Amino acid sequence: DGGITQSPKYLFRKEGQNVTLSCEQNLNHDAMYWYRQDPGQGLRLIYYSQIVNDFQKGDIAEGYSVSREKKESFPLTVTSAQKNPTAFYLCASSTFFSGDTEAFFGQGTRLTVV
Amino acid sequence: EDQVTQSPEALRLQEGESSSLNCSYTVSGLRGLFWYRQDPGKGPEFLFTLYSAGEEKEKERLKATLTKKESFLHITAPKPEDSATYLCAVQLSAGNMLTFGGGTRLMVKP
Repeated sequence: DGGITQSPKYLFRKEGQNVTLSCEQNLNHDAMYWYRQDPGQGLRLIYYSQIVNDFQKGDIAEGYSVSREKKESFPLTVTSAQKNPTAFYLCASSTFFSGDTEAFFGQGTRLTVV
Repeated sequence: EDQVTQSPEALRLQEGESSSLNCSYTVSGLRGLFWYRQDPGKGPEFLFTLYSAGEEKEKERLKATLTKKESFLHITAPKPEDSATYLCAVQLSAGNMLTFGGGTRLMVKP
């Protein structure tokens, strides 16, 4: 089945620690995105990538980093510089160059600072 | 500044009581407007894409419409399983990124 896989589902981070969230897609999509969702709120864009080896900052990129070495993978690192990392993180992908461009989402990673 | 606003924030309905959710937007250059459904603890599930004013799309009890300033998601005779948060998002002509509204949390009681 084609889709987007995020792991882990739950992640706990200690103060001052970097953690990496995994996102893999087998939809052959060019574009991939990371969003953050806080309780009772909509989604805010952290980073996006339209092609391999290229990515751009979204609205709330401070304290986060990404890489796009393969078309299928777009990992997100939450660094110690992110002061309030507790949130629900969602990865998405879409086509970019042609066709319908709706984004499809993974099932999310819930990150908690302990 | 591009903005997407959804109303109401929360909506309680009795089973069978039809209603509408609103998504208003002020953006420069709309490429498309998207509706998603999100269940608690899950990722958003794609429902509809609307591209031009006057366009309508339907799926079961849901019907989405689009004008130049807003979109409506009409829910006809809702059932408890329609309870979820409904998100709208706009895609601008300049790129593929989606800008989301805050969502409407729908609760349908039997």
